Amino acid sequence: DAGITQSPRHKVTETGTPVTLRCHQTENHRYMYWYRQDPGHGLRLIHYSYGVKDTDKGEVSDGYSVSRSKTEDFLLTLESATSSQTSVYFCATDDSSYNEQFFGPGTRLTVL
Amino acid sequence: DAKTTQPTSMDCAEGRAANLPCNHSTISGNEYVYWYRQIHSQGPQYIIHGLKNNETNEMASLIITEDRKSSTLILPHATLRDTAVYYCIVRHTNKLIFGTGTLLAVQP
Repeated sequence: DAGITQSPRHKVTETGTPVTLRCHQTENHRYMYWYRQDPGHGLRLIHYSYGVKDTDKGEVSDGYSVSRSKTEDFLLTLESATSSQTSVYFCATDDSSYNEQFFGPGTRLTVL
Repeated sequence: DAKTTQPTSMDCAEGRAANLPCNHSTISGNEYVYWYRQIHSQGPQYIIHGLKNNETNEMASLIITEDRKSSTLILPHATLRDTAVYYCIVRHTNKLIFGTGTLLAVQP
């Protein structure tokens, strides 16, 4: 398995507070992704990065921002968390459009 | 990206082959078929992918029809640990578009 870690693994926060989730990889992969997963849904892409400081939106990007200042770290920020952002968040990486994506263990976020 | 259609759930007896179908009738010529699985609460795990030829690895086989409008993932000897949600994905960019997948329940 690719060396992908996510922190924190679990977080409970209150509506209106800022939250930052971190994804760290040791594989030197170019591409990094943030997904969310809700009951009854497959994973949905929030944002992705195709290089340092290069990011783009996915299908459910509203309310989220990302940053990538170095290859190994990809941060997902909820500027003002809402209850609808309660979800499990997965980070993924790959080095090509045609190779496998490796997924992290996930972060369970609860917004009260 | 082309959409895929999979059955919501399937059962399979332990030790038997599990055949998971996927329809992707709008697939384009440069789009690959990928299969991932997700075991309860874990991150998705890559299984296999292919373009037009059948593929086999240590986990599974992928059979793609000649017109590429459908495919079948085959787990040759299913075990209880293969119980998971299996996602069929058509991909031509770096982004994966997940559907709701097939819940495969392997029965003892």
